[in-house]
Amino acid sequence: GQQVMQIPQYQHVQEGEDFTTYCNSSTTLSNIQWYKQRPGGHPVFLIQLVKSGEVKKQKRLTFQFGEAKKNSSLHITATQTTDVGTYFCAGQGYGNKLVFGAGTILRVKS
Amino acid sequence: DTAVSQTPKYLVTQMGNDKSIKCEQNLGHDTMYWYKQDSKKFLKIMFSYNNKELIINETVPNRFSPKSPDKAHLNLHINSLELGDSAVYFCASSPGLYTEAFFGQGTRLTVV
Repeated sequence: GQQVMQIPQYQHVQEGEDFTTYCNSSTTLSNIQWYKQRPGGHPVFLIQLVKSGEVKKQKRLTFQFGEAKKNSSLHITATQTTDVGTYFCAGQGYGNKLVFGAGTILRVKS
Repeated sequence: DTAVSQTPKYLVTQMGNDKSIKCEQNLGHDTMYWYKQDSKKFLKIMFSYNNKELIINETVPNRFSPKSPDKAHLNLHINSLELGDSAVYFCASSPGLYTEAFFGQGTRLTVV
């Protein structure tokens, strides 16, 4: 079945450093979504990427969808303490359900 | 107003009991879901309910049964609770099947 792998599992960064999490699917995706979950909170939708090679930015966050539509990344520039949480990618194969990656836990040291 | 609300927030119960979690959304969405998040934070979809059609995840035990009295509500009933059912259960809704999802606050279920 469809699998979505996400790395790294954990990342501790110093405030001001950059952070990247990567997502890889075993199958070609129709779209990929990114969510953020704060500690003790619920997942919050960040963005959806649909097109091959698509790049979208939200302030300090940059999202990319690979040319083959099998991988994606989320990059945060100059992390802040408010960025802490778990970042999930979720990929949907054609005609299939949405499958979440295991998430990357981000901790930011001030 | 909370877009997706679920109750209760915490639920502690004994093995073998039957319990229900309620979910309501006021976003006018056609699609609702139940997700299970285990202790390792892994999010797994349990059910999707899209335009009155229930899509069952084949890995979910039949002790779990969703019930939707109307488009705005999707409740989750669990029979004969087991220790392994302990997790956080999230309700969510979206405008269409597997589009941008709005999650509820979660219900932390602890089976003792």
